[in-house]
Amino acid sequence: VQLVESGGGLVQPGKSLKLSCSASGFTFSSYGMHWIRQAPGKGLDWVAYISSSSGTVYADAVKGRFTISRDNAKNTLYLQLNSLKSEDTAIYYCARRVPWGWFAYWGQGTLVTVSS
Amino acid sequence: DVVLTQTPVSLSVTLGDQASISCRSSQSLEYSDGYTYLEWYLQKPGQSPQLLIYEVSNRFSGVPDRFIGSGSGTDFTLKISRVEPEDLGVYYCFQATHDPLTFGSGTKLEIK
Repeated sequence: VQLVESGGGLVQPGKSLKLSCSASGFTFSSYGMHWIRQAPGKGLDWVAYISSSSGTVYADAVKGRFTISRDNAKNTLYLQLNSLKSEDTAIYYCARRVPWGWFAYWGQGTLVTVSS
Repeated sequence: DVVLTQTPVSLSVTLGDQASISCRSSQSLEYSDGYTYLEWYLQKPGQSPQLLIYEVSNRFSGVPDRFIGSGSGTDFTLKISRVEPEDLGVYYCFQATHDPLTFGSGTKLEIK
């Protein structure tokens, strides 16, 4: 299993960014996927989840601003980040749980910096 | 949302001593299926988190039996007996019972 995030960078407050997570080594379409972030020097913060059937759940801090989506044909998970705030600055990880289990696989993360 | 309150924030332990971390939930973490989806992760410096304990007290494969998870309902504890140098890092509890899922704020374990 391999998860590779991309799309991070420096962005101004109020702007948008789209993150990608390329998955391989498993049947991507069969699994729910998560985004988790970690601000520099801070703790882990669960962000969003998308099920294999594309049902979604969001943390309150990002609801209405972030959108999680997937393209099973491309084995890719996305996170659209809109109306970015300085407090969204973090490394964003995609992760997969084992069914009814735990976070078994993590990507290496992509850094999003929100600053003017 | 479920809030997981971890204490202490940091812990300085002598090698060979015991460490204990508390994770208190704002709601019961027992799911309707009878299981309690409370996990413990260790994040070592510069690494992704690694699973230690799932469903409150089940040690993940390869995790030493020095790591013991316990608790029920809203109160959970991770005990590390005979702390070793490789145990340093930040410990997080995590709940997957209620949406949205949530992590505790973390406990940093340092070696004296």
